[in-house]
Amino acid sequence: GAVVSQHPSRVICKSGTSVKIECRSLDFQATTMFWYRQFPKKSLMLMATSNEGSKATYEQGVEKDKFLINHASLTLSTLTVTSAHPEDSSFYICSAHRVYGYTFGSGTRLTVV
Amino acid sequence: DQQVKQNSPSLSVQEGRISILNCDYTNSMFDYFLWYKKYPAEGPTFLISISSIKDKNEDGRFTVFLNKSAKHLSLHIVPSQPGDSAVYFCAASEGGGNKLTFGTGTQLKVEL
Repeated sequence: GAVVSQHPSRVICKSGTSVKIECRSLDFQATTMFWYRQFPKKSLMLMATSNEGSKATYEQGVEKDKFLINHASLTLSTLTVTSAHPEDSSFYICSAHRVYGYTFGSGTRLTVV
Repeated sequence: DQQVKQNSPSLSVQEGRISILNCDYTNSMFDYFLWYKKYPAEGPTFLISISSIKDKNEDGRFTVFLNKSAKHLSLHIVPSQPGDSAVYFCAASEGGGNKLTFGTGTQLKVEL
């Protein structure tokens, strides 16, 4: 079945540094990938829609300059959290769409100290 | 504005009985609905979906019912098993392939 690999699964970084999260579709091409954020015991909130070869579409309230999304190929999308602050600590999940539905990565737990 | 709501944050069911998880939505443009199961610190796992042209879809122990007039869908799990214990999210989109809007989740606990 369709597999989406997300890396790293867990990262701790210092305030002010940047962190990159990768999302790869392993056995299919994903023209569209989605990035979500989940706060503890809350729903998954869509941050942005990433389209291969074009700029990402951000949801209202999501800072484009803080959460940089790159979708350079049909199998790879990256989310970079720039100048991270403790309030950016969260669980980030990517998703890729294919004909038969949406497949999610395993998520990345980001902790900013 | 929460367009997809799951009004029960938690549900406890005995093993072997039926689990019914409910979901309501407000956006009449939603035409594709999905249910996901999620464990802490993991990505959601797809369970079952339904398009708005249907009112029922069944896959093994899972059945999803859609009531478009009421803007309501439900997931039935029967028989419930301890391994079903997890958080269940419903999600909706305007057309397959577009962004998903998730509900608030229901924590299901299946007890022995």
